[in-house]
Amino acid sequence: RKEVEQDPGPFNVPEGATVAFNCTYSNSASQSFFWYRQDCRKEPKLLMSVYSSGNEDGRFTAQLNRASQYISLLIRDSKLSDSATYLCVVRTNDMRFGAGTRLTVKP
Amino acid sequence: GAVVSQHPSWVICKSGTSVKIECRSLDFQATTMFWYRQFPKQSLMLMATSNEGSKATYEQGVEKDKFLINHASLTLSTLTVTSAHPEDSSFYICSARTGQVPYEQYFGPGTRLTVT
Repeated sequence: RKEVEQDPGPFNVPEGATVAFNCTYSNSASQSFFWYRQDCRKEPKLLMSVYSSGNEDGRFTAQLNRASQYISLLIRDSKLSDSATYLCVVRTNDMRFGAGTRLTVKP
Repeated sequence: GAVVSQHPSWVICKSGTSVKIECRSLDFQATTMFWYRQFPKQSLMLMATSNEGSKATYEQGVEKDKFLINHASLTLSTLTVTSAHPEDSSFYICSARTGQVPYEQYFGPGTRLTVT
């Protein structure tokens, strides 16, 4: 079983749509959780950390369920510029990445 | 945020040669640096973890004699791909972690290696 598993995607959505990404992790000792976005041929960039209480940053909402070992990311009112690959990242001693889910937002 | 640089950003080499990639933390001291590899349409895979002044810890399946890592200072780590082969062609990304809570981790821009 992979340490971090994500929806395989890809997701193709129109502008303005709401899109949800799901992620599960296998190591219950994991301490920190993140969503990164990666544009083609670029390094991953931190989108947001994920907290147990859930957190929101503008159009982005992240949720963590430690009991289920499940993480989610919701993007509302998607923009063309949101097109990227979204990586679920879990940290114990080091960061482990999910395979990523590619999102394409179309006009 | 903190800056991590990598050099070179892009390199082409012939099969059998060695390539050195540098990773520098520009405005902070990185007690720990990580090296990742990413093949096309795949996620980042951790290759090794290095702590300043000590030997790197390699992930299972990563050959330590092929991928030499040196973390000689708190701001510099190098990855040398020895006797490179076409299957080593990949995107290599380093990451540096601060030595203080909350142990933030920052990524370099990556090095694209093509072995012909």
